[in-house]
Amino acid sequence: DAKTTQPPSMDCAEGRAANLPCNHSTISGNEYVYWYRQIHSQGPQYIIHGLKNNETNEMASLIITEDRKSSTLILPHATLRDTAVYYCISSYNFNKFYFGSGTKLNVKP
Amino acid sequence: NAGVTQTPKFQVLKTGQSMTLQCAQDMNHNSMYWYRQDPGMGLRLIYYSASEGTTDKGEVPNGYNVSRLNKREFSLRLESAAPSQTSVYFCASSEETGPGYEQYFGPGTRLTVT
Repeated sequence: DAKTTQPPSMDCAEGRAANLPCNHSTISGNEYVYWYRQIHSQGPQYIIHGLKNNETNEMASLIITEDRKSSTLILPHATLRDTAVYYCISSYNFNKFYFGSGTKLNVKP
Repeated sequence: NAGVTQTPKFQVLKTGQSMTLQCAQDMNHNSMYWYRQDPGMGLRLIYYSASEGTTDKGEVPNGYNVSRLNKREFSLRLESAAPSQTSVYFCASSEETGPGYEQYFGPGTRLTVT
């Protein structure tokens, strides 16, 4: 499965949009892009996933480039409770689901 | 719905001791998973069960065994614990292993082997 590359950390001001980038340049045609987050040491929480088209749900938006080699997770109005480690994963199925080290998002007042 | 539950929450073992971590889900999911997370790292898949009656190795299966007891329950056993198995263990479930589904995680079991 494709490996992903994310910046180790990012800062964001409370109330502003948080844009978290992810590179998955070797992604295969049938692999989805998933985003999860982990707050403190809790179990990871599903955020959103997509294949080709941009996706939006109540938590976030996912923007996937046309060539599918990168994506951006957007939290439209970040709050302090969004401080977490965010994982971008590209995979066809959960049998091969590699979390990597993720991006530590620090939302500051 | 409780979602995915795990017991115990914390455990301390001596080297060579054995123990079983329990996991249950009430979402009628077909697939279940065991991950471990070492400090400062992402999760790594130990074993998974695509459906009741089947189990398969993940990325780091050595030193572990699993049992899919029924559709709800998936246990992870350490036969002879080693300090290298000190980690946080997460259980997860999903409707299927295939693409496009969501994976739900339990709260974790924090295991220390001395």
